[in-house]
Amino acid sequence: GQNIDQPTEMTATEGAIVQINCTYQTSGFNGLFWYQQHAGEAPTFLSYNVLDGLEEKGRFSSFLSRSKGYSYLLLKELQMKDSASYLCAVMDSNYQLIWGAGTKLIIKP
Amino acid sequence: NAGVTQTPKFRVLKTGQSMTLLCAQDMNHEYMYWYRQDPGMGLRLIYYSASEGTTDKGEVPNGYNVSRLKKQNFLLGLESAAPSQTSVYFCASSANPENTEAFFGQGTRLTVV
Repeated sequence: GQNIDQPTEMTATEGAIVQINCTYQTSGFNGLFWYQQHAGEAPTFLSYNVLDGLEEKGRFSSFLSRSKGYSYLLLKELQMKDSASYLCAVMDSNYQLIWGAGTKLIIKP
Repeated sequence: NAGVTQTPKFRVLKTGQSMTLLCAQDMNHEYMYWYRQDPGMGLRLIYYSASEGTTDKGEVPNGYNVSRLKKQNFLLGLESAAPSQTSVYFCASSANPENTEAFFGQGTRLTVV
């Protein structure tokens, strides 16, 4: 079966760095997405990786290793507004997105 | 910029009642999707549409029907609501599914009692 695993919840301190991991087992791979979802709101796109390596976008970076079925989202200089759930999703061979359950990130002052 | 708009935002149904959720997008996207989001689970695809007039089943289509008569609209119907359909429903659209982001509506919180 297809499976996306990410931690349920993480806590970090304002100004610090946090890494959210995602491991996947899917039938085929056509890219990995990270979305941010604030409580009660819609998911919004953060990043897309299809090749191995690190993609940097401001305070957020996303890494992919296809051979290991592994990705992480790195958030630097954490701000209170970064408190949200972070969703990992993999596009399988049929171009369907398989979603993880999300990681709730709690930022403390 | 409206983006993706869902109506209604909240609804309470009695078991056996029917309803239609409306999704409208103004980005001229070909692809539209209906997902449900339940606590502790990832988003699950109910149905999707690759173009006007076409629809396909996703992971959890039972108990739902859809229609895409116009490119900008994607309707999700519940013919006979069940408590198991209590969920938050999200509509999304994308230009193509391969490497572009999906844009989500604000969600519909549905409770079936």
